[in-house]
Amino acid sequence: DQQVKQNSPSLSVQEGRISILNCDYTNSMFDYFLWYKKYPAEGPTFLISISSIKDKNEDGRFTVFLNKSAKHLSLHIVPSQPGDSAVYFCAASASGGSNYKLTFGKGTLLTVNP
Amino acid sequence: ETGVTQTPRHLVMGMTNKKSLKCEQHLGHNAMYWYKQSAKKPLELMFVYNFKEQTENNSVPSRFSPECPNSSHLFLHLHTLQPEDSALYLCASSQGRGPEQYFGPGTRLTVT
Repeated sequence: DQQVKQNSPSLSVQEGRISILNCDYTNSMFDYFLWYKKYPAEGPTFLISISSIKDKNEDGRFTVFLNKSAKHLSLHIVPSQPGDSAVYFCAASASGGSNYKLTFGKGTLLTVNP
Repeated sequence: ETGVTQTPRHLVMGMTNKKSLKCEQHLGHNAMYWYKQSAKKPLELMFVYNFKEQTENNSVPSRFSPECPNSSHLFLHLHTLQPEDSALYLCASSQGRGPEQYFGPGTRLTVT
């Protein structure tokens, strides 16, 4: 059973507009959430994260929103640029122990059209 | 070299071959990870090492054998693989005190 779900396999957006990528989770123990971006032939690159004690974290054009009651998070990219075209993975972690295990979603392919 | 490097980037092997994947991190991290990414599937955690000690084996078949000689190097020894083991194998590292993991570029493995 998938604990982290990205229900949209793909998303197409016009350059300059907002991109909204969504992620849902089922495990109430998750308390830290991350977004990764992956270009073809490269490994995932850490983008932005949020702790469960917050509901919003912003870094430049990227903002992550967390709705704990709905077990939902989203990544907003404003304005979208063609270079943002990549696969975006949502990941979640439960704190505790000596290492943090990340559980990933399947990813959403974002295409930003010029 | 900076970040996390992996070699080789591409590997084609027969089911009777033995090969090894190598990962090296230059970030001073103490934890290292192996992940498998198959088509249309989420990244699957395989192994976790913390200060050279294996702390997680996610029910991985014994034909995959990890080795961590020190905190900077991680190997994945492969033998008698199956075609369904064809995938992208990713190595990652982290500081251990936080969830952020930093990934290498991966090895694209094809088993024929």
